[in-house]
Amino acid sequence: GQQLNQSPQSMFIQEGEDVSMNCTSSSIFNTWLWYKQEPGEGPVLLIALYKAGELTSNGRLTAQFGITRKDSFLNISASIPSDVGIYFCAGPANAGGTSYGKLTFGQGTILTVHP
Amino acid sequence: DAGVIQSPRHEVTEMGQEVTLRCKPISGHNSLFWYRQTMMRGLELLIYFNNNVPIDDSGMPEDRFSAKMPNASFSTLKIQPSEPRDSAVYFCASSRGGPKFFGPGTRLTVL
Repeated sequence: GQQLNQSPQSMFIQEGEDVSMNCTSSSIFNTWLWYKQEPGEGPVLLIALYKAGELTSNGRLTAQFGITRKDSFLNISASIPSDVGIYFCAGPANAGGTSYGKLTFGQGTILTVHP
Repeated sequence: DAGVIQSPRHEVTEMGQEVTLRCKPISGHNSLFWYRQTMMRGLELLIYFNNNVPIDDSGMPEDRFSAKMPNASFSTLKIQPSEPRDSAVYFCASSRGGPKFFGPGTRLTVL
């Protein structure tokens, strides 16, 4: 199956700062997904990327599908306290697969925002 | 619209006991997934169903785990007998040919 490496593992930032995290895979992906998980809840889909080079925004969040198809980036601008949570990247568990079946998840980036 | 519903939200049991986790997917979704989340291993897919049929159960840890989906609106994940190493948060997710929507999870503690 695909392996995902997500970094950094954790971030402690001040409110208002921008945040950047990334995910790399051991092989080519057709889809990249970014999820956020808040304490006591399940992951919630933030952004889905389906094409190499694609840049997609969702409010203050922007994600990019790397040109090599082996990486993806998530940026959060002007962070606020409610951005706190664990951010996961995810992609198809099998090479050439879609996001509709098995997903493999990165280890997650724990984000803490100080007011 | 109601999201994915899981019950119970918390379960504490003793080693050796049978545990049954329940999931109601979003209406109209035809794929259902069971995931397990631990600090050590992160989010792992256990099994997934498409149109109520199990498609891939390669993530099921061992024979003590079983899952069923008797109809489009209900699925169970059973552990019998339970062991302390089964302690984790178990998530159910559903989808309809697209990204998955996760339920709130069941936090299982096996003493």
